Amino acid sequence: QVTLKESGPVLVKPTETLTLTCTVSGFSLSNGRMGVSWIRQPPGKALEWLAHIFSNDEKLYSTSLKSRLTISRDTSKSQVFLTMTNVDPVDTATYYCARAEEYRYESGYYPHHFDYWGQGTLVPVSS
Amino acid sequence: DIVMTQSPDSLAVSLGERATINCKSSQSLLYESNNKNYLSWYQQKPGQPPKLLIYWASTRESGVPDRFSGSGSGTDFTLTISSLQAEDVAIYYCQQYYEKMLTFGGGTRVEIK
Repeated sequence: QVTLKESGPVLVKPTETLTLTCTVSGFSLSNGRMGVSWIRQPPGKALEWLAHIFSNDEKLYSTSLKSRLTISRDTSKSQVFLTMTNVDPVDTATYYCARAEEYRYESGYYPHHFDYWGQGTLVPVSS
Repeated sequence: DIVMTQSPDSLAVSLGERATINCKSSQSLLYESNNKNYLSWYQQKPGQPPKLLIYWASTRESGVPDRFSGSGSGTDFTLTISSLQAEDVAIYYCQQYYEKMLTFGGGTRVEIK
């Protein structure tokens, strides 16, 4: 049974660094063709993809947020992390982690659709 | 990045009637080497995470009712609910995975008329 569960702070102040954790079960982060993405959703707004970590530890970042994001993992704990620096109230959102199958092409590995999602964690950014 | 544009923003459909949601991409999502369109559809109910409905533009995820169907190719795609049920009230999103920079559409809210 595949599950993902996000955890994070209850409140973050502007300019601080946000750290989120995604704990997965039912699949391996390093053995197989499954990677994990972070996706966020501001209240009442659409989904926005942020970052992805592949099973080979390769990383991808959103073009617009690349300078502020770091995705990493601890395979021994089945956890994927996302840090976002210098947060602002516009970063207030529900943050989801989701599993994506990955495929290899001539130009490298690509994540595909998201078949399992966590329940999400709401992160308010406010002073 | 590929821009995904959904229409309409919202629609109200009577129970048992057809609902049609459109998704247009700024560039083709058809990979000619395998003739597959790199597009998926999700359903998000209030207070819940998105749920995968359709991938490869028209392949239904396991367990998804067959009243949900996906069609289209290239840059124009459609999600159809053939006979709307009360439990289908939700926001629906399309997503492209043709490029590594994944992008979602803005969502379409489906309500009961």
